[in-house]
Amino acid sequence: DAKTTQPPSMDCAEGRAANLPCNHSTISGNEYVYWYRQIHSQGPQYIIHGLKNNETNEMASLIITEDRKSSTLILPHATLRDTAVYYCIVRVAGNTGGFKTIFGAGTRLFVKA
Amino acid sequence: GAVVSQHPSWVICKSGTSVKIECRSLDFQATTMFWYRQFPKQSLMLMATSNEGSKATYEQGVEKDKFLINHASLTLSTLTVTSAHPEDSSFYICSARRQTTEKLFFGSGTQLSVL
Repeated sequence: DAKTTQPPSMDCAEGRAANLPCNHSTISGNEYVYWYRQIHSQGPQYIIHGLKNNETNEMASLIITEDRKSSTLILPHATLRDTAVYYCIVRVAGNTGGFKTIFGAGTRLFVKA
Repeated sequence: GAVVSQHPSWVICKSGTSVKIECRSLDFQATTMFWYRQFPKQSLMLMATSNEGSKATYEQGVEKDKFLINHASLTLSTLTVTSAHPEDSSFYICSARRQTTEKLFFGSGTQLSVL
């Protein structure tokens, strides 16, 4: 079962920041938070991941709360091409037993002009 | 970034025939690959974990005799849908984990339509 909860859909105006929340209240100490997105009829695309520190890359920023029970993916300047389903996933890193990536329902982000 | 190639991107077949889908990691070795299926407007469902040189591990409810997985090399895994039926029509997606990172890279998916 997916271990995350996300809102089913969100709207965002083009050029504005899109903030996508994720709850993962049962996350374990060795589990990372990953974000992927899927544009219609394509395979998912990796966005970012983190353990407990905030992370930033060329695509997005990831803010993880101090208790690690929730996180927020931030797309700083959303464009129409960012319209997609965004998946928040928690899993153990490394080649340990039971390594799997299970997808929840995700958040369908609509970026509007 | 790393590339995972999936082929074919779409296939139409008659009921009762078998269809093979290939997943290749083009610039890295992948000891583990994963196969997912996705129905319209639903999330990805993990079908099986493909391990190079050994048997695949199937998720509960996935018929291993119907969905044959072969991972003969470090860069290639195949999924064969045997005796396909219309209810097998779906979007099939593979992914591979690059060992030097913690990222999963996904293929572009295969849309299977069984008539």
